[in-house]
Amino acid sequence: KAGVTQTPRYLIKTRGQQVTLSCSPISGHRSVSWYQQTPGQGLQFLFEYFSETQRNKGNFPGRFSGRQFSNSRSEMNVSTLELGDSALYLCASSLSRVNEQFFGPGTRLTVL
Amino acid sequence: QKEVEQDPGPLSVPEGAIVSLNCTYSNSAFQYFMWYRQYSRKGPELLMYTYSSGNKEDGRFTAQVDKSSKYISLFIRDSQPSDSATYLCAMSDNYGQNFVFGPGTRLSVLP
Repeated sequence: KAGVTQTPRYLIKTRGQQVTLSCSPISGHRSVSWYQQTPGQGLQFLFEYFSETQRNKGNFPGRFSGRQFSNSRSEMNVSTLELGDSALYLCASSLSRVNEQFFGPGTRLTVL
Repeated sequence: QKEVEQDPGPLSVPEGAIVSLNCTYSNSAFQYFMWYRQYSRKGPELLMYTYSSGNKEDGRFTAQVDKSSKYISLFIRDSQPSDSATYLCAMSDNYGQNFVFGPGTRLSVLP
C-alpha cells in the first residue's frame, strides 16, 4: 500500500511570493491534516480536512489556507511568504480520526 | 506552561540499554496518547498509540499512560543504533479536535 506522498519535496521562494504544496493521502483515507515543523516551535497543527470540509484549524494567520478535493488529495497554500514561514510542512492522513495518522516525508520550504 | 512537555534530551545511551522517554501534559481532556519516531529528514512514523490509562507492549517498545499523574512514557528495551531518532509524544481528546505534539527528544544509541 502506498504511503502518503507530498510534492514538491523541496522549495525555495522569496518573501512576498505565494506557494502551493500538495499531499496525496493513503488510499481510502479521508482525513488529511497539515503541520508546520520548525526547530524552535516543533510540530504545530495547521488544519485538518475531512471529506472536502475543513474540520479543525490551528492558530495560524489567514495567509495559510488549504483545500481538499473529492479524491481526498489536499493542497496547502501560503500567501505573502515571510522569512518565518521557512519550515518543514508535513501532511498526515488517517481513515477518520486524527489520532491514528500516517505522515508523509514533508516539503521543506525555504523563504529567502 | 506548555500543554505538553517532554524530556528535552538529547539522550545518548549504549547499545542494549533500556531507554525511558517521558512526557507530561496539563489538559485532562486528552484521551489518546501516541508516540512517533522521526528520523532525520523524514516525516514522523507512528510507533504506538494507547487509549486512556494503562500499558501497551509491541516488541521492544512499551507505552505507559498514567492519567492521574498526567504522565506518559515510552520504554525501549535492548536499544539498537537504528533506534537513533527523535521521539515525539502526541495526544488528543476523544474527538481528535485538539491534537498536540510534544517538542521531541533526540535519542542516540551508540554501538
